[in-house]
Amino acid sequence: DAKTTQPPSMDCAEGRAANLPCNHSTISGNEYVYWYRQIHSQGPQYIIHGLKNNETNEMASLIITEDRKSSTLILPHATLRDTAVYYCIVRVENYGQNFVFGPGTRLSVLP
Amino acid sequence: NAGVMQNPRHLVRRRGQEARLRCSPMKGHSHVYWYRQLPEEGLKFMVYLQKENIIDESGMPKERFSAEFPKEGPSILRIQQVVRGDSAAYFCASSPPSKGGEQYFGPGTRLTVT
Repeated sequence: DAKTTQPPSMDCAEGRAANLPCNHSTISGNEYVYWYRQIHSQGPQYIIHGLKNNETNEMASLIITEDRKSSTLILPHATLRDTAVYYCIVRVENYGQNFVFGPGTRLSVLP
Repeated sequence: NAGVMQNPRHLVRRRGQEARLRCSPMKGHSHVYWYRQLPEEGLKFMVYLQKENIIDESGMPKERFSAEFPKEGPSILRIQQVVRGDSAAYFCASSPPSKGGEQYFGPGTRLTVT
């Protein structure tokens, strides 16, 4: 699986958009970009994933650059409950493989 | 649709005892994954199972740890002769058969070895 690079921490004001970047310059053509988050001491939560097109769901939007070497997770209106560690993971879509969780980005949403 | 269930949520064992952690996947999910998170560390994959089969156990310690996912009932992660270094949060996740990348995690079992 391709390696990803994320900033260790970010702050965001409550109500503003949170833009979390991820670099994955060695991504392969069949690898997807997945985003998960872990709110303190809870189990990780799936957010969104995509291959090359931008994706949006009720939680977030995922913007993938045309060369697929980087992506941005956007939380459009961050709330205090969005404070968490966010993980960007690149892997092939498969019947089942383990995820390799890196250190992620610790997002702090400030009042 | 109930989420992934894990029990117990907290487990205290003395050194040398056995720990049994249970995981019931979401309805319709036939793939189960176990991860471990040591204090102040990231999540580490342990094992991936389908019903009655271990598919990938590359993250399991070679001794004392075992996992199963029987035809009926929950998946079980068993740790024999626990040591203090086994103290951690153990998370179970499940996924539908065709979407291994969408893993839904349970609340975890926090094991404390005294």
